Amino acid sequence: DGGITQSPKYLFRKEGQNVTLSCEQNLNHDAMYWYRQDPGQGLRLIYYSQIVNDFQKGDIAEGYSVSREKKESFPLTVTSAQKNPTAFYLCASSMGTVTNYQPQHFGDGTRLSIL
Amino acid sequence: GQQLNQSPQSMFIQEGEDVSMNCTSSSIFNTWLWYKQDPGEGPVLLIALYKAGELTSNGRLTAQFGITRKDSFLNISASIPSDVGIYFCAGLTSSGNTPLVFGKGTRLSVIA
Repeated sequence: DGGITQSPKYLFRKEGQNVTLSCEQNLNHDAMYWYRQDPGQGLRLIYYSQIVNDFQKGDIAEGYSVSREKKESFPLTVTSAQKNPTAFYLCASSMGTVTNYQPQHFGDGTRLSIL
Repeated sequence: GQQLNQSPQSMFIQEGEDVSMNCTSSSIFNTWLWYKQDPGEGPVLLIALYKAGELTSNGRLTAQFGITRKDSFLNISASIPSDVGIYFCAGLTSSGNTPLVFGKGTRLSVIA
């Protein structure tokens, strides 16, 4: 089945550590996105990538980094510079050609907690 | 940045009742989307709207793209317990591979 896979489902980080969240898609979508969701809040955009080897900062990129070496993969690293990393992280992908727009589909999320 | 004003923020309804929620913006959107999020999971696309005035149904759900292109609403008829969750509206102002603008969500609770 086609879809978006995020791993792990739950992740724990010690103070001062970097951690990487995985996002893989087999939908052949060009664009991929990372969002952060805090309790009772909406989705805030961290980074997005419209094409391989290119990505742009979203509204809350500080303390995060990404890479897009393959079309299928868009890992997010939460660095030690992110002082409040506890949140639910969602990955999404979309296809945006003129003749074939497929809206963003989301993975099931990774919940990151600080030990 | 752009914002979508989604209301109500939360609602409690009796099973069997109809529900209505909406999103408004000061900007024009080319696409409106409605998602539902269950606890601990990612949002799932319910309905996509691509033309001003478009009215689209998905089972008990009906959504409309406002003719001014600055608003959209979602109706749920005859609510059931599994309708519980957070409903998000999202809009797209330009080409498909640009980020969506999301509302802050409507949390729906259904009392059996």
